[in-house]
Amino acid sequence: DTGVSQDPRHKITKRGQNVTFRCDPISEHNRLYWYRQTLGQGPEFLTYFQNEAQLEKSRLLSDRFSAERPKGSFSTLEIQRTEQGDSAMYLCASSLRLVNEQFFGPGTRLTVL
Amino acid sequence: GESVGLHLPTLSVQEGDNSIINCAYSNSASDYFIWYKQESGKGPQFIIDIRSNMDKRQGQRVTVLLNKTVKHLSLQIAATQPGDSAVYFCAEAPAGGTSYGKLTFGQGTILTVHP
Repeated sequence: DTGVSQDPRHKITKRGQNVTFRCDPISEHNRLYWYRQTLGQGPEFLTYFQNEAQLEKSRLLSDRFSAERPKGSFSTLEIQRTEQGDSAMYLCASSLRLVNEQFFGPGTRLTVL
Repeated sequence: GESVGLHLPTLSVQEGDNSIINCAYSNSASDYFIWYKQESGKGPQFIIDIRSNMDKRQGQRVTVLLNKTVKHLSLQIAATQPGDSAVYFCAEAPAGGTSYGKLTFGQGTILTVHP
């Protein structure tokens, strides 16, 4: 499969725990995006990388959220001290620089109990 | 369409009919518009896009119309099939700058195609 992959697909955690999600973009894509989607809503932008540089972060991304893309390939999104309001689908997308078409992964569904 | 429990507009059509899904966008400075299809449990799937210097663009069985005067976007699906049943989202993106490529999604529409 040469599409965007995300791991895990599902994560159930208790409030206060830390979680980390991984995204592997399409191999030649140098842009990588994270979005969050709650039930009945469209995806909301969280942050994006061009290669290893994080170029923009949404105000939705509180201090408990951090994202990295250390080698310009895969990316991780960590949520510290999870809250019930963090329960959502976390989507990753990738694209080529200067090309708008973004290809989305299947998402990681997070449930915080 | 009318709102349902998830507060999303819905559109129900018979197989073979044409479908039209509408979207109002908010930012007059947006340069690029995209339609995505999202099936249950999956990430959004790209359908078709259009730039602000165009009014219409056609793909396979799909056409996107852009009316910048009233900030309205529509997706037309010809000969709708049961496999087209999904939630459809429009999205917009700015022309450039650091936010280039950052998508802002609109409210989705649930399309149900009856055999």
